[in-house]
Amino acid sequence: AQSVTQLDSHVSVSEGTPVLLRCNYSSSYSPSLFWYVQHPNKGLQLLLKYTSAATLVKGINGFEAEFKKSETSFHLTKPSAHMSDAAEYFCVVSGYTGFQKLVFGTGTRLLVSP
Amino acid sequence: GAVVSQHPSRVICKSGTSVKIECRSLDFQATTMFWYRQFPKQSLMLMATSNEGSKATYEQGVEKDKFLINHASLTLSTLTVTSAHPEDSSFYICSASPSGQGGYGYTFGSGTRLTVV
Repeated sequence: AQSVTQLDSHVSVSEGTPVLLRCNYSSSYSPSLFWYVQHPNKGLQLLLKYTSAATLVKGINGFEAEFKKSETSFHLTKPSAHMSDAAEYFCVVSGYTGFQKLVFGTGTRLLVSP
Repeated sequence: GAVVSQHPSRVICKSGTSVKIECRSLDFQATTMFWYRQFPKQSLMLMATSNEGSKATYEQGVEKDKFLINHASLTLSTLTVTSAHPEDSSFYICSASPSGQGGYGYTFGSGTRLTVV
């Protein structure tokens, strides 16, 4: 079975400072990992994905994440936060079991102050 | 890129009535689509897996007679909330993958906010 743990329910940063959203995973298989962003009352947008290629994954809007197998982590980072980054972020794992279901973390709300 | 269209975006219905939500893959075929439910300030919970031409697979605890899923074509899945009650009020989101494999990422619809009054 797969699971993800998002270690922070809320993260607050100032505009222009770095962002770190933490995610740890558990998987019996070689996992695929994703970060999705959700703005209020909107669907989910894929930021980036890891699918057993390069361990440092670059996504959209300046976000990147590093897959660390030894630490079972897939933390999301951005060098400089923008006001428009304020949203809910979900770390997601998918394994090759049956219909490849996605398992969502509980989400981290990113707050960006001026 | 892959686009999933979900309609309506918002719906208000009276208690006891039924509501249908559509999920369409606009530029790809999807033999499998997924339906999620999201309560306020919570994560997404998978409700069911919709399979084209066959019965949906429901997650444990999801009432299949209340949440009817039909996947009649390779580009359309529908979720019907039957005899809706206020506790069914929620945000419903569908997703699909162009490749048919989750490992390459899913595209999500924009969601439907259902309010039952």
